[in-house]
Amino acid sequence: GENVEQHPSTLSVQEGDSAVIKCTYSDSASNYFPWYKQELGKRPQLIIDIRSNVGEKKDQRIAVTLNKTAKHFSLHITETQPEDSAVYFCAANTGNQFYFGTGTSLTVIP
Amino acid sequence: DTGVSQNPRHKITKRGQNVTFRCDPISEHNRLYWYRQTLGQGPEFLTYFQNEAQLEKSRLLSDRFSAERPKGSFSTLEIQRTEQGDSAMYLCASSLLIEAFFGQGTRLTVV
Repeated sequence: GENVEQHPSTLSVQEGDSAVIKCTYSDSASNYFPWYKQELGKRPQLIIDIRSNVGEKKDQRIAVTLNKTAKHFSLHITETQPEDSAVYFCAANTGNQFYFGTGTSLTVIP
Repeated sequence: DTGVSQNPRHKITKRGQNVTFRCDPISEHNRLYWYRQTLGQGPEFLTYFQNEAQLEKSRLLSDRFSAERPKGSFSTLEIQRTEQGDSAMYLCASSLLIEAFFGQGTRLTVV
């Protein structure tokens, strides 16, 4: 089955700086890659996603890049704000179930 | 609230008891997923329905676990003879095309 690895597990940045979280996947059949933000005690919320026919997608301060050849994808958050502090999960989908990474705990220091 | 709804939000049960959780997906979403999440980990896949058909089950889903989606709408997840290792957050998600949206989860504590 698919194996998704996520790094780093924790990340601290100063407010206003950028944050980058990286994931790799193993199954070349994976064709959809969402990112979820989970605040403490709350549900994972879909924040951005990318399909395998696209290399980059941007939504305001958040962007995701995908390198199909290398089987990795990344989340980029620019101009970080304290409310960006949360755990972020990447996932890969082959058309059926989602395989999740182990999460990155992001802390934005005011 | 038109999002995915899960009940109960919290459940404390004694070891050996049976528990049942309910998930109401977003209306018209044909796919429904159950995941389990423990502290500091990402969601782990348990099972997946398309309409009323259970298409995939994880090896994590022992014979003590059963899930149903009888009419292709809400789903239930039952755990029989609960063990302390079953303590976790049980998350449900639904999707129509491919984007999946999660419910708030049911936190199970087995004492």
